[in-house]
Amino acid sequence: DAKTTQPTSMDCAEGRAANLPCNHSTISGNEYVYWYRQIHSQGPQYIIHGLKNNETNEMASLIITEDRKSSTLILPHATLRDTAVYYCIVRFGYGGSQGNLIFGKGTKLSVKP
Amino acid sequence: DADVTQTPRNRITKTGKRIMLECSQTKGHDRMYWYRQDPGLGLRLIYYSFDVKDINKGEISDGYSVSRQAQAKFSLSLESAIPNQTALYFCATSEAKSSYNEQFFGPGTRLTVL
Repeated sequence: DAKTTQPTSMDCAEGRAANLPCNHSTISGNEYVYWYRQIHSQGPQYIIHGLKNNETNEMASLIITEDRKSSTLILPHATLRDTAVYYCIVRFGYGGSQGNLIFGKGTKLSVKP
Repeated sequence: DADVTQTPRNRITKTGKRIMLECSQTKGHDRMYWYRQDPGLGLRLIYYSFDVKDINKGEISDGYSVSRQAQAKFSLSLESAIPNQTALYFCATSEAKSSYNEQFFGPGTRLTVL
């Protein structure tokens, strides 16, 4: 299984962009990069996913390096409500047990006023 | 109304008691999952079900059992609860037809075993 490495914690000023890095040097060609977040013991929430190309949705942008060994989740204008633990997960995109999500410890993002 | 609901939200029980945690969903998803989360750690998969007739063990299934009563209902049982099963438990669902793994999580059940 591909594994991910994330910083334990990060701070960000309110209104600024939050850039959360993730290393996944052993990612295979069929594995996607997923990002979820968990706000204070609530159920995790899906943010975004990608395979090769950069992706953007209403919540965030995902930048994946050309060699796919690392990625960055970008919250363009962080708010206090974005304070959460952010999980970077590398898994297969198709169904079956190989697609099951494996959560690490994530990055605790603290957005400060 | 929430798409994925869990009952109870909080439960305190004693060692040796049988406990059932229930999960219901209105999303029409075929796949359902049970996770546990210990303080400071990520979620770990206990059991998962890809449809009503399909039940699979996850990473940490010992001491747990599940029942998929219907497409919309997936229950987790602790046959004889022990203190190290004190944790936050989450149910999740996902769509079988989806080409990627977006899972939708319930609000969680906080279980304390004394």
